Amino acid sequence: DGGITQSPKYLFRKEGQNVTLSCEQNLNHDAMYWYRQDPGQGLRLIYYSQIVNDFQKGDIAEGYSVSREKKESFPLTVTSAQKNPTAFYLCASSIVAGPYEQYFGPGTRLTVT
Amino acid sequence: EDKVVQSPLSLVVHEGDTVTLNCSYEVTNFRSLLWYKQEKKAPTFLFMLTSSGIEKKSGRLSSILDKKELSSILNITATQTGDSAIYLCAVEENSGGGADGLTFGKGTHLIIQP
Repeated sequence: DGGITQSPKYLFRKEGQNVTLSCEQNLNHDAMYWYRQDPGQGLRLIYYSQIVNDFQKGDIAEGYSVSREKKESFPLTVTSAQKNPTAFYLCASSIVAGPYEQYFGPGTRLTVT
Repeated sequence: EDKVVQSPLSLVVHEGDTVTLNCSYEVTNFRSLLWYKQEKKAPTFLFMLTSSGIEKKSGRLSSILDKKELSSILNITATQTGDSAIYLCAVEENSGGGADGLTFGKGTHLIIQP
């Protein structure tokens, strides 16, 4: 089955710790994205990557970092510098040549206390 | 200032009613507008509307893009309790550089009462 997997589904961390969220896709898509969703806020773009070893900041990149060493994988690290890390994180992928639809993973709900 | 605005933010109707959800946008180089349905987890794709495809229909759901008014509507007829979800509108801009991500509205939380 082709799709996007995110792990874990729920993640709990103490304030001050870095945490890495996993995202893997087997859709052979070149582009991958990370979004953050807060209640009543819709989805906001954190980082995106159109090709391996290259990525760009989205609208709310501060306090986050990413890597794209493989086409299939785009992990997101939530650093201790992120002031409000508790949120629902969604990973997506798509082809590069638009117009295009993005396919979403099931999400990771991160709670930092 | 929000580039994509959805209204209403929440809506409660009875099963069998018809609903219309609105989305307006303000972007520099519009390429497409997408509608997604989200039921507690991953958004699932409903429609993509572009300058060459301004009307889409699938069963009880339909959507229209108004390029002049920079807006779109999503219609759901004969609503069912399974239509209860958050409906997200997103816009893609043509930056010339490929896939740059989508700009989402805040969503419309639709509740269908039996």
